[in-house]
Amino acid sequence: DADVTQTPRNRITKTGKRIMLECSQTKGHDRMYWYRQDPGLGLRLIYYSFDVKDINKGEISDGYSVSRQAQAKFSLSLESAIPNQTALYFCATSERTGKNEQYFGPGTRLTVT
Amino acid sequence: GEDVEQSLFLSVREGDSSVINCTYTDSSSTYLYWYKQEPGAGLQLLTYIFSNMDMKQDQRLTVLLNKKDKHLSLRIADTQTGDSAIYFCAESSNNNDMRFGAGTRLTVKP
Repeated sequence: DADVTQTPRNRITKTGKRIMLECSQTKGHDRMYWYRQDPGLGLRLIYYSFDVKDINKGEISDGYSVSRQAQAKFSLSLESAIPNQTALYFCATSERTGKNEQYFGPGTRLTVT
Repeated sequence: GEDVEQSLFLSVREGDSSVINCTYTDSSSTYLYWYKQEPGAGLQLLTYIFSNMDMKQDQRLTVLLNKKDKHLSLRIADTQTGDSAIYFCAESSNNNDMRFGAGTRLTVKP
């Protein structure tokens, strides 16, 4: 969905490096999410934010941090990347109420060597 | 924690019906969803069902919910090669988060 964009789309980095993945949305949604996808494991929630001042840990937040710079921007950081953080990362947004339909970005493929 | 489970692979012939099954454990689930992921893309919501319904039909898609058995299925009628993708079952028990299954890779053979 072009309304949710992620940069970069692909990234290869070395163990120990700091890396930031960025997400922007034009849907005007309050809620934003970061997931990682691993083969056979589906999507797992890393962090989510209900508004600019509200940040919450998800299922697998260790080794990650986030920043909600504005309603439209939510970035994910790996302070010191390790190989088992190699995965496909998705950002998503949703409205505050209703059926919680989430709109996903195209994903960032991250490889840590 | 609460789980959502689905089989990893399904292969069908073009024109046949596909049925993708999902089970979940959270008895307080409010909404259940089916998402589709095409290669190189993010997930797109296909359809959803509210927990007080037992069936929902939308063109070629039929969702069946058995709340007693915590079983959800997605039937795709007249499956086409363009339906080849990974299908994720997901559930939400409140308005806060969503739990996904591992995804079923549907392959449609001509």
